[in-house]
Amino acid sequence: SSELTQDPAVSVALGQTVRITCQGDSLRSYYASWYQQKPGQAPVLVIYGKNNRPSGIPDRFSGSSSGNTASLTITGAQAEDEADYYCNSRDSSGNHHYVFGTGTKVTVL
Amino acid sequence: QLQLQESGPGLVKPSETLSLTCTVSGGSISSSSYYWGWIRQPPGKGLEWIGSIYYSGSTYYNPSLKSRVTISVDTSKNQFSLKLSSVTAADTAVYYCARHGEGEEATGYYYYMDVWGKGTTVTVSS
Repeated sequence: SSELTQDPAVSVALGQTVRITCQGDSLRSYYASWYQQKPGQAPVLVIYGKNNRPSGIPDRFSGSSSGNTASLTITGAQAEDEADYYCNSRDSSGNHHYVFGTGTKVTVL
Repeated sequence: QLQLQESGPGLVKPSETLSLTCTVSGGSISSSSYYWGWIRQPPGKGLEWIGSIYYSGSTYYNPSLKSRVTISVDTSKNQFSLKLSSVTAADTAVYYCARHGEGEEATGYYYYMDVWGKGTTVTVSS
């Protein structure tokens, strides 16, 4: 299967921790990358590989993976973290094809 | 730093061909370390990978769009382009171009899209 499934929405209190999950068969073979997208803006890469953050991404963002599930954790969520989050991976067909997750809307209360 | 900029018509008629170009600045499209891709996002919906190209011209397309998509590269202009034929209203979306790469850690491979254009809105309507 080339699908990546995410919960549609999660909420988190300001300063608390939230975990967003992404499930799919391809995640048994490849790590997920994670993207943050705010309204009207292009996606921004926040996590790639086992747990790597591009320059400029706060260390409150972290990634993990187990079996067919990848997770993005925001520890100490800030108001500016309210956004849509998408996972992405190469699919498991053996071709150079890529698939995005269905997306999770994170609301910071 | 590296920047990507999409350009092309914002309005395309049904059954016609959508054509967009992504101009890369601040770096070379001929880098052997990266692919160059197109991603779209219909209004209110999620992201969909359309396809990618390597500077050598190797292409990879989303199977669901493969029959209608052509991606090409012009290294002399530091640009790559998207053509999507026989468009319908369902192709109305924000179209993004992005650089993507891959790597390997001890425990597996990873793929990422680290530089994105700002996106361009394409509406399919008569």
